[in-house]
Amino acid sequence: ETGVTQTPRHLVMGMTNKKSLKCEQHLGHNAMYWYKQSAKKPLELMFVYSLEERVENNSVPSRFSPECPNSSHLFLHLHTLQPEDSALYLCASSLGRGPSTNEKLFFGSGTQLSVL
Amino acid sequence: DQQVKQNSPSLSVQEGRISILNCDYTNSMFDYFLWYKKYPAEGPTFLISISSIKDKNEDGRFTVFLNKSAKHLSLHIVPSQPGDSAVYFCAARVDNYGQNFVFGPGTRLSVLP
Repeated sequence: ETGVTQTPRHLVMGMTNKKSLKCEQHLGHNAMYWYKQSAKKPLELMFVYSLEERVENNSVPSRFSPECPNSSHLFLHLHTLQPEDSALYLCASSLGRGPSTNEKLFFGSGTQLSVL
Repeated sequence: DQQVKQNSPSLSVQEGRISILNCDYTNSMFDYFLWYKKYPAEGPTFLISISSIKDKNEDGRFTVFLNKSAKHLSLHIVPSQPGDSAVYFCAARVDNYGQNFVFGPGTRLSVLP
């Protein structure tokens, strides 16, 4: 079983739909992240949660709404998306021990989202 | 403006030879660098990292070199194996909160049998 699990693996939605992406980590980590990977572009950091508090919001449109109910679960709520939001959405976690610690990210397999 | 650049979108190498993947960065505040490997339909997996206080880190067939003055790092894979065929991402971190990682666009490595 992978340490970071994302569901669903694939999602097709219309622009008026509301859907949610789910992420669960089984690693005992304190920090969780949402990244977006569009075709031929670098991974873009969207949100960071540390100990269930949002510590980073990288100028993401409000049609993306994250939720972190506890340190093991992270959601990304989607509503009124645009076709250009079609991308691979990756969840990640890290120990979250704070600054000056050489941590690494553990990624889930991602949700491939298509907005029609 | 990309802070982490991987100027080669793709690279092909013969099996058994050395693969060298390059990464350049612009932010002198980066203090920790990582390489990730990604297969299709999977998330990136951690490969190797290096702190800015070092210039080399080795782990089996993988070695990362850091040249701080040139703001350049490279990943060497030797010998290359067909299973190494994947997209490789370079990532860097600014030590502010310890959790902001910036990724490059990736290099697709193909190891030919």
